Amino acid sequence: EVQLVESGGDLIQPGGSLRLSCAASGFNVRANFVSWVRQGPGKGPEWVSVLHTGGGAYYADSVKGRFTISRDSSKNTLFLQMSSLRVEDTAVYYCVRDKYSSGWYGYFEHWGQGTLVTVAS
Amino acid sequence: QSALTQPPSASGSPGQSVTISCTGTSSDVGAYNYVSWYQQHPGKAPKLMIYEVRKRPSGVPDRFSGSKSGNTASLTLSGLQAEDEADYYCNSYAGTNTVFGTGTKVTVL
Repeated sequence: EVQLVESGGDLIQPGGSLRLSCAASGFNVRANFVSWVRQGPGKGPEWVSVLHTGGGAYYADSVKGRFTISRDSSKNTLFLQMSSLRVEDTAVYYCVRDKYSSGWYGYFEHWGQGTLVTVAS
Repeated sequence: QSALTQPPSASGSPGQSVTISCTGTSSDVGAYNYVSWYQQHPGKAPKLMIYEVRKRPSGVPDRFSGSKSGNTASLTLSGLQAEDEADYYCNSYAGTNTVFGTGTKVTVL
C-alpha cells in the first residue's frame, strides 16, 4: 500500500527557512514522480514542485529560486527546503505521487495527510 | 502559470446531472490531453476522480465522466448523490508544470 507521511511544518517568521520531509512506503521514491502540492487557507491546490525519476526538478514560478526539492533514496524520503519564506507561502503542504512512473503528467493519485506551514510575524 | 477558470459553484437535485467547465489556454488544456479532476471534501486531501481527460481510476463510479474540446475541459456528474457534495478542481499538464483550476463547489439540493 502506498503511504506518504509529511512532517516539518511549523510557524515561521517571514524571511525564514524550513525543511519539510515526506516519508514514503509501498513504493520507491527514486522510481516514481513525486510532487509537493500546497493549499492555502480557503484556496484551491497549487502545484509547487516535482522531482523526476532522472533527478531533474521543476518548480512553480512562485517558488523558483527559493524552494529546493530533493530526495534521500536510502531513506525513501522526499524533502522540500524552503527559504526566504513569505506570508503567502502559508499553506498545508502535501506530498503527492503520480499515477504513472513511466512519465510525468500531473495525475496526482496518492496524497499524504499534509503538514501545515504558517508564515507570520 | 495562471489558474484554470472554473465556475465558483454548481448545484443540482439528487438524481440530476451537473457539468463543470474548466477553461485554460492553448499552452495547457488546449495543448495536451493530460487533464485531471479532483474531488475534495472539507478537511480532506483531494482525490483523483478523472485522468487523461476521461479515464476513471479504480473505484470511481461511472457517474463521473470527463471530456475536452479545445481549451475547455468538462466534468459531468450524473445521477447526483448526497456524497457528491464537495469542491472539484481540474488540473492540466503544461510541459514543465501543472496548473490547477480555481475550483467549483458542488451543492446537492
